[in-house]
Amino acid sequence: GQNIDQPTEMTATEGAIVQINCTYQTSGFNGLFWYQQHAGEAPTFLSYNVLDGLEEKGRFSSFLSRSKGYSYLLLKELQMKDSASYLCAVRVANQAGTALIFGKGTTLSVSS
Amino acid sequence: DVKVTQSSRYLVKRTGEKVFLECVQDMDHENMFWYRQDPGLGLRLIYFSYDVKMKEKGDIPEGYSVSREKKERFSLILESASTNQTSMYLCASSLWIRPGQGGLVHGYTFGSGTRLTVV
Repeated sequence: GQNIDQPTEMTATEGAIVQINCTYQTSGFNGLFWYQQHAGEAPTFLSYNVLDGLEEKGRFSSFLSRSKGYSYLLLKELQMKDSASYLCAVRVANQAGTALIFGKGTTLSVSS
Repeated sequence: DVKVTQSSRYLVKRTGEKVFLECVQDMDHENMFWYRQDPGLGLRLIYFSYDVKMKEKGDIPEGYSVSREKKERFSLILESASTNQTSMYLCASSLWIRPGQGGLVHGYTFGSGTRLTVV
């Protein structure tokens, strides 16, 4: 079966750095995505990793270790607007194609 | 700007009704997906489709069916709605990626969601 784990909730203060971890056990790994979802809205794409290492995009970075089945999303210089759910998703493949399987999400609360 | 449009933002239906949730994308994407999202359970894949008239079961297909008669439209059908199908339903689309093929290929684009309440 497919299993993606991430913490349920995290809290942090404005200006701080937070790291959201994700571990996965899936078949046919074909890339890992991070999405941000504000309450009542659709998920929006943040980052994508398919090779080991760090991908940096402004205040957000994402890391992947395929051998460990592990990823993290790093958010720097936190702002109040970063309060949201962060979804880790693995693209898995079968003979027909690919689909995204999601973790349950991490709700991040940023306080002043 | 690329778009995935879901026909209804909010929907209230009675138990036993047949319910159609519609999703249309304007990006000429081969792949389309239906997820439901529930507190504490996250996004769970119901069905997906790689091409017209093709469908694959996701993790929780029971109680649902789908229809893909045209490339741009993917419908989710609840044959006989039940209260445990009260949920947020999200549609998504992406370009088709072969197993083993890497690359972002535009990722996945989500619709705004349909909040369905079955009473």
